[in-house]
Amino acid sequence: SYELTQPPSVSVSPGQTARITCSGDALPKKYAYWYQQKSGQAPVLVIYEDNKRPSGIPERFSGSSSGTMATLTISGAQVEDEADYYCYSTDSSVNHREVFGGGTKLTVL
Amino acid sequence: QLQLQESGPGLVKPSETLSLTCNVSGGSISSSSDYWGWIRQPPGKGLEWIGSIYYSGRTYYNPSLKSRVTISVDTSKNQFSLKLSSVTAADTAVYYCTRRDCSGGSCYFDYWGQGMLVTVSS
Repeated sequence: SYELTQPPSVSVSPGQTARITCSGDALPKKYAYWYQQKSGQAPVLVIYEDNKRPSGIPERFSGSSSGTMATLTISGAQVEDEADYYCYSTDSSVNHREVFGGGTKLTVL
Repeated sequence: QLQLQESGPGLVKPSETLSLTCNVSGGSISSSSDYWGWIRQPPGKGLEWIGSIYYSGRTYYNPSLKSRVTISVDTSKNQFSLKLSSVTAADTAVYYCTRRDCSGGSCYFDYWGQGMLVTVSS
């Protein structure tokens, strides 16, 4: 089965740049999406189609993808960015096979 | 503004069937560009896609759950439902209903319900 692999945790100080990676064999052919989930809340989309930002998402959130790795970058991370982040994509060989990464806990302190 | 709301029993006994309904308001479940899905999250763990459905009734399921899952749609009520049979404690999770938007050329989950905790216990 298709998998997306994320680091379990990333820690930065306020104002630093946080980078969260997501690796998957289908990423050269499929878009990556990123969701932010704060404690007790439903996930919120912060990046779609590798590098596009939905309206209302701060500019400090950006995304990129190269080869089998996608990266979510938070430039000048703030305390309120502390959350779990999940990458999401689909299996290139099977339509409608939705996959989430295992999630990365971002700590900003 | 589209809104999704899960409803159903919060407690299910082992070996029984979990049944949840998602009511969609502020938009039509019969939109040609949308799919509707269920995603779950066990306590302290990550997100797992359960399955998706189109308004026509065409379904797509996670292979790991396929034998136990049925997703259906009722366009007259603007809602869709999840049934998961033969549940065990491992099925204890927050269950989210979602919209999978395909209007922009790619597809992704853009609207989520608030989530509903379902506990499997005797």
